Amino acid sequence: AQSVTQLGSHVSVSEGALVLLRCNYSSSVPPYLFWYVQYPNQGLQLLLKYTSAATLVKGINGFEAEFKKSETSFHLTKPSAHMSDAAEYFCAVSPFAGNMLTFGGGTRLMVKP
Amino acid sequence: EPEVTQTPSHQVTQMGQEVILRCVPISNHLYFYWYRQILGQKVEFLVSFYNNEISEKSEIFDDQFSVERPDGSNFTLKIRSTKLEDSAMYFCASSVGTAPRETQYFGPGTRLLVL
Repeated sequence: AQSVTQLGSHVSVSEGALVLLRCNYSSSVPPYLFWYVQYPNQGLQLLLKYTSAATLVKGINGFEAEFKKSETSFHLTKPSAHMSDAAEYFCAVSPFAGNMLTFGGGTRLMVKP
Repeated sequence: EPEVTQTPSHQVTQMGQEVILRCVPISNHLYFYWYRQILGQKVEFLVSFYNNEISEKSEIFDDQFSVERPDGSNFTLKIRSTKLEDSAMYFCASSVGTAPRETQYFGPGTRLLVL
């Protein structure tokens, strides 16, 4: 069975500061990993995904994530936070074969001016 | 950019009533999904659908749930006899090919409240 843990349900950073959102997964087989973002009153939008190619994955809006098998982690980072980054971020895992995404609990990112 | 749309955005119903949640997937997509998120809990997979058949379902998706693609554009989730614990945000998603290689695109959700 797969699972995803997002450490920190709420993260607050100042505008211009580093954003680090943590995601750890458990999976018995090599997984596919995803980060989604949800802005208020909108659907989940894919930020980036890891599909066993490069371990450093670049996504939209300046976000990137690094797959570390030894740490079973897929943390999301952005060098400099913008006010517009305030949203809820979800990490998800999927098996190599199959359609089901298993989500973490989400992290609400707040950006202070 | 094409989007997944869902109607209604909010629905309030009485316990025991039937509800139908509607979704219009992206037009060239072939795979469809429903997820739900109970307030304060994780987003959970309910069911995936392809070629007019359920391809995968979770333990949550019991006999009170059903899905249908009635007319080639809509994709619906029916809850036959709602329970208080069905109160949640329900998300529809679609993908052009089989996940996980293909991205699942999510709609904005329908917030269902069962009284």
